[in-house]
Amino acid sequence: EVQLVESGGGLVKPGSSLKLSCVASGFTFSSYGMHWIRQAPKKGLEWIALIYYDSSNKYYADSVKGRFTISRDNSKNTLYLEMNSLRSEDTAMYYCAKGAGDYWGQGVMVTVSS
Amino acid sequence: DIMMTQSPLSVAVTPGESASISCRSSKSLLHSNGITYLSWYLQRPEKSPQLLIYQISNLASGVSDRFSGSGSGTDFTLKISKVETEDVGIYYCVQFLEVPFTFGSGTKLEIK
Repeated sequence: EVQLVESGGGLVKPGSSLKLSCVASGFTFSSYGMHWIRQAPKKGLEWIALIYYDSSNKYYADSVKGRFTISRDNSKNTLYLEMNSLRSEDTAMYYCAKGAGDYWGQGVMVTVSS
Repeated sequence: DIMMTQSPLSVAVTPGESASISCRSSKSLLHSNGITYLSWYLQRPEKSPQLLIYQISNLASGVSDRFSGSGSGTDFTLKISKVETEDVGIYYCVQFLEVPFTFGSGTKLEIK
């Protein structure tokens, strides 16, 4: 059974940093690209980052480019999202999703507030 | 960026009836490889989005065949036949043709 489990969220102040993790199981993690997608409270879905299976390519939404970094450790079946210079508008539920978008995690909440 | 426009914003359906949701993209989603990268998701209340349909009309694993997708190029439709109470939630279309991948704003399905 495919499972994606996010962690690392919490309440942080504007300008601070946070690193999210997503542990994958039930499939060959090293063979798939992975996404981060977020959803602000009561809002729609926003794709924010993609990393290829071998980390050879990474893509970002303009809203996070230069502040967020997607990475992965295939030996640990883990996807990461390092978030710097956090703003109130980054407050959202953050989901990791498997390459074709066929499986998503349960999400982890990030709240940026003073 | 490719803009995805969904309609209606919300729809109320009597159980057993059908519902249709439209999605329009600002650019053709047909790749040079012949695949059209348009998917549909359902987000039930307080849950993660669930893939329903990929590449316009392919049913995701485990999804009821009451869901069907159609369309081409820039115009797409999700049809839900014989609506059940478990179909309540917000439906999103999304394009996976090019980054940034973009979602429609969502259509809320309610039961009458």
